[in-house]
Amino acid sequence: RKEVEQDPGPFNVPEGATVAFNCTYSNSASQSFFWYRQDCRKEPKLLMSVYSSGNEDGRFTAQLNRASQYISLLIRDSKLSDSATYLCVVPNNAGNMLTFGGGTRLMVKP
Amino acid sequence: ETGVTQSPTHLIKTRGQQVTLRCSSQSGHNTVSWYQQALGQGPQFIFQYYREEENGRGNFPPRFSGLQFPNYSSELNVNALELDDSALYLCASSLAPGSYNSPLHFGNGTRLTVT
Repeated sequence: RKEVEQDPGPFNVPEGATVAFNCTYSNSASQSFFWYRQDCRKEPKLLMSVYSSGNEDGRFTAQLNRASQYISLLIRDSKLSDSATYLCVVPNNAGNMLTFGGGTRLMVKP
Repeated sequence: ETGVTQSPTHLIKTRGQQVTLRCSSQSGHNTVSWYQQALGQGPQFIFQYYREEENGRGNFPPRFSGLQFPNYSSELNVNALELDDSALYLCASSLAPGSYNSPLHFGNGTRLTVT
């Protein structure tokens, strides 16, 4: 099993739709998680941190299910500008190394 | 506040050559991490430098080496380049080595092509 696994997509959704991505991780000791967003040919940028059961920031909600070892990202009212690759990230126990999933590509259409 | 800057932005090298990539950390950040991102994949951790010492290393061979300078800037050196080394090399700085309360700030990356 890969350390961090994501569905590569692409997810093609119309503007205004709600879309959700899942990410599974193998290290049951992991305490915190991150979602990064990466635009085409750009660097990753931090979208959200997930330290407990979940986190919400505007249209974005991240949830953590420790029992099943997965993290989800929910985007409500999708905008064209949400089109990007979303990377699920799990730190190691020391916190000095991040393991990235392969990313899920989202394309929001007019 | 100056962000993370990397140079050069693009580089073409021949198999067997050596390359040095450079990174200036964001103002106030003392930790630098390097990642390799192959096309269509997520970034992979190469190593991290904190206070001029290596502070963790991923699954990369010894021909990948690095340095951190007193001003916290950093270099990534790759010897004996192979075709599979073609990738985007990302530098990220942070306030401290642990990522829990100190998110990574990435530079724009250096795109290396090995022919």
